Amino acid sequence: DAKTTQPNSMESNEEEPVHLPCNHSTISGTDYIHWYRQLPSQGPEYVIHGLTSNVNNRMASLAIAEDRKSSTLILHRATLRDAAVYYCIRGGKSTFGDGTTLTVKP
Amino acid sequence: NAGVTQTPKFQVLKTGQSMTLQCAQDMNHNSMYWYRQDPGMGLRLIYYSASEGTTDKGEVPNGYNVSRLNKREFSLRLESAAPSQTSVYFCASSEDGGGAWGGYTFGSGTRLTVV
Repeated sequence: DAKTTQPNSMESNEEEPVHLPCNHSTISGTDYIHWYRQLPSQGPEYVIHGLTSNVNNRMASLAIAEDRKSSTLILHRATLRDAAVYYCIRGGKSTFGDGTTLTVKP
Repeated sequence: NAGVTQTPKFQVLKTGQSMTLQCAQDMNHNSMYWYRQDPGMGLRLIYYSASEGTTDKGEVPNGYNVSRLNKREFSLRLESAAPSQTSVYFCASSEDGGGAWGGYTFGSGTRLTVV
């Protein structure tokens, strides 16, 4: 199965870190792991991607398990603008699940 | 700004009418995709084109046809619209199908209502 598994929803307090998990137990050795987010009434936008090593950019960090069967998107300090649906997908499969709806409380 | 452009942004159709959704990208990407998103749901892949001249079915292709007109343009056609096709349609493009080069760039969507 090409789809990944994510919790339906998560909540966070503003300015606290958020760890969004994703399971991709059937991932192949060459599939990249991509994360996107979708703000209300907008198309999805790229957040971060990686293959084996942990990755950092200005938006987030991506921690990839050593066996690559799971990954975690880390928002270091959640803001109200981070409230969105977050999708984890396997690169090359083009299939999105229902993602995780992140609610950020002030 | 470089990116994916979809037209129209909004459309209302009567059951049985036909229409074509247009999508163009100016990033010289090889692959293009059409998704639909129903209210409160994730994205489901309708069709994709891995490269110019090729198209393949995705998860939910029934009731749709596509044309990869050239490297830039990928259109989605509804031949006989049905209320079940009421949805938001997103077009996306990718350099390498979600591999090492950063994945997918999405358009802003077409909101289609079939009455």
